[in-house]
Amino acid sequence: NAGVMQNPRHLVRRRGQEARLRCSPMKGHSHVYWYRQLPEEGLKFMVYLQKENIIDESGMPKERFSAEFPKEGPSILRIQQVVRGDSAAYFCASSPVQGIVQPQHFGDGTRLSIL
Amino acid sequence: QQQVKQSPQSLIVQKGGISIINCAYENTAFDYFPWYQQFPGKGPALLIAIRPDVSEKKEGRFTISFNKSAKQFSLHIMDSQPGDSATYFCAASIGNFNKFYFGSGTKLNVKP
Repeated sequence: NAGVMQNPRHLVRRRGQEARLRCSPMKGHSHVYWYRQLPEEGLKFMVYLQKENIIDESGMPKERFSAEFPKEGPSILRIQQVVRGDSAAYFCASSPVQGIVQPQHFGDGTRLSIL
Repeated sequence: QQQVKQSPQSLIVQKGGISIINCAYENTAFDYFPWYQQFPGKGPALLIAIRPDVSEKKEGRFTISFNKSAKQFSLHIMDSQPGDSATYFCAASIGNFNKFYFGSGTKLNVKP
C-alpha cells in the first residue's frame, strides 16, 4: 500500500499522559499536513511541515502540541498532558511538491480517546 | 471565523436522484476548490476539484458548478447510488500554500 500511513489507528490515553501520533507520507512526498476532526465537524488545519522544517503552524494550539518531520522516519504529532478536549480524529495528509497547488492525499487517521 | 460554509448538514436522496451540496466562501484569494468524500473510519478522499477560471467541471456522475461573483460552488451527484452514501466536504486553498479550509461536511444518505 503506497498511501499515507498513520498509526496507531486508535489510541486511548488517560488525562495527563502523552500521545504520539505517527504519519508516513506517500512515497515521493516531502510535504506533510496535520488536521484535526471533531465529531460531526470538518477538518481543521493544524500544521504544515517539510522535512526538518515547520512551514506553517498557525492551527496548532500554543501549548502541549508539537509536530516534527525528521530527515529520516515518519512525521510525529505529539500531545503532552492530554485533556478530554483532545479527543478527536487526527488526520495526516501529504503532497509531493510546493510551488503549485497539489491535491492532498489523506491517511485513515488516528482516533484519539482520552479517558 | 469559518472560511468555508457548507450546506445542508445532511441530505437524503432516493436512488437515481440528484444530490446537491452547496458551499460559500468569503476570501477572494482562494483559487483551488476540491471536494472530498469520506466514509466512516476512513480519511477523506479527493473526489473532484475546480479552479475559479472555469464555471463547471464534470467527472463521470460528479459535477462542480462554480460561481465566482457569488463566491459559491456546489457539487452535483447525478444518478445517486447507495454506494455514494458518505460525508462530503468542500474545501478551499490559496495559491501554493497547500493549507486547506474545510466546510463542516454534508452527510449524504442515498435510499435504495
